[in-house]
Amino acid sequence: DAGVIQSPRHEVTEMGQEVTLRCKPISGHNSLFWYRQTMMRGLELLIYFNNNVPIDDSGMPEDRFSAKMPNASFSTLKIQPSEPRDSAVYFCASSLLLGEQYFGPGTRLTVT
Amino acid sequence: GQQLNQSPQSMFIQEGEDVSMNCTSSSIFNTWLWYKQDPGEGPVLLIALYKAGELTSNGRLTAQFGITRKDSFLNISASIPSDVGIYFCAGSYSGGGADGLTFGKGTHLIIQP
Repeated sequence: DAGVIQSPRHEVTEMGQEVTLRCKPISGHNSLFWYRQTMMRGLELLIYFNNNVPIDDSGMPEDRFSAKMPNASFSTLKIQPSEPRDSAVYFCASSLLLGEQYFGPGTRLTVT
Repeated sequence: GQQLNQSPQSMFIQEGEDVSMNCTSSSIFNTWLWYKQDPGEGPVLLIALYKAGELTSNGRLTAQFGITRKDSFLNISASIPSDVGIYFCAGSYSGGGADGLTFGKGTHLIIQP
């Protein structure tokens, strides 16, 4: 079975540009989570969805960050405009409600 | 936000040795999970714990959900080279991870042959 799929795996962009990260959860899972990993702060929850509805976005650092889940098989995390401090690895994870979370391979974002 | 204190931060051991790491929290969690992350990859779930006092094994791995619900430990017996990586504990307030996870800072496991 395919796991969580994320694209792109690597993204290098210039400050001020818009960045869109994509995630396809495991088929049948109804919860989706976006995390960010940095050396300084470790793994942090940004936002999560249950049944395509955003439940908690308190971890989204600023208004520059937005996330959508238009259907059960696709989600995006957008940063506009991007800044160097947004450089991190961004992970998407999915689960069944009340189930364990399974992570994708991540997108390594570098903002210069 | 909530912080999980994970220790040790790193471990240098000989192949074949047993490993023990733990996580503590200032508040109660209803689910504890342990993940392993290899370089360039996402965290991979090792063990999930749902009940206080629960002791669960997965091969050479054993984890326990503390009675107070504020701590958990992970043991690895007879370590092998492929055990190298970063191990993370994670807690969830919901019964099973329906909400977002709070992660520890990780334990770097390094095995010397």
